[in-house]
Amino acid sequence: DAGVIQSPRHEVTEMGQEVTLRCKPISGHNSLFWYRQTMMRGLELLIYFNNNVPIDDSGMPEDRFSAKMPNASFSTLKIQPSEPRDSAVYFCASRSGRGSDTQYFGPGTRLTVL
Amino acid sequence: QKEVEQNSGPLSVPEGAIASLNCTYSDRGSQSFFWYRQYSGKSPELIMFIYSNGDKEDGRFTAQLNKASQYVSLLIRDSQPSDSATYLCAVNQQGGNTPLVFGKGTRLSVIA
Repeated sequence: DAGVIQSPRHEVTEMGQEVTLRCKPISGHNSLFWYRQTMMRGLELLIYFNNNVPIDDSGMPEDRFSAKMPNASFSTLKIQPSEPRDSAVYFCASRSGRGSDTQYFGPGTRLTVL
Repeated sequence: QKEVEQNSGPLSVPEGAIASLNCTYSDRGSQSFFWYRQYSGKSPELIMFIYSNGDKEDGRFTAQLNKASQYVSLLIRDSQPSDSATYLCAVNQQGGNTPLVFGKGTRLSVIA
């Protein structure tokens, strides 16, 4: 079975540009999580969805960040406009939610904002 | 703010020794506990989880949970250089479909 799929794997952009990160969760999983990882702050939860519905976005740093999950197979995290301090690795994770609370991570997107 | 605390390390152990990684958590109502391994430049991967007080063994790995002390540990027996990585402790504080809360990780270095 395919794991969590993320694209792109690397993104280099200039300050002020819009960035869109994509995630396909494991088929049949009903929870999806977006994390950001930096050396200083570790792994931070940005937002999570249950059954495609956003449950908690309190971790989203500011209004420049937005996330959507239009269906069970796809989610996006958008940053507009991007800033150098947004440079980090962004992970998507999913969980089946049926008797298991194990989260499975995608390979991540390394974002560099110049 | 409910927290999960880990010593950042690095923890250095010689090859063949036992590596002991520790984690404390602040939410006494936490229900499930996880250890993830993260190699440099890679994503976290699950090593094992534990729900009940006591020990749980899986190959060279043993997870230990003490809910009274709010303490979780991971022992790695016969450590190998390939075990060198960052180990993340994660806790499900509320149960159900709520997110795991992660510690910042302990970097382990196994010296050949």
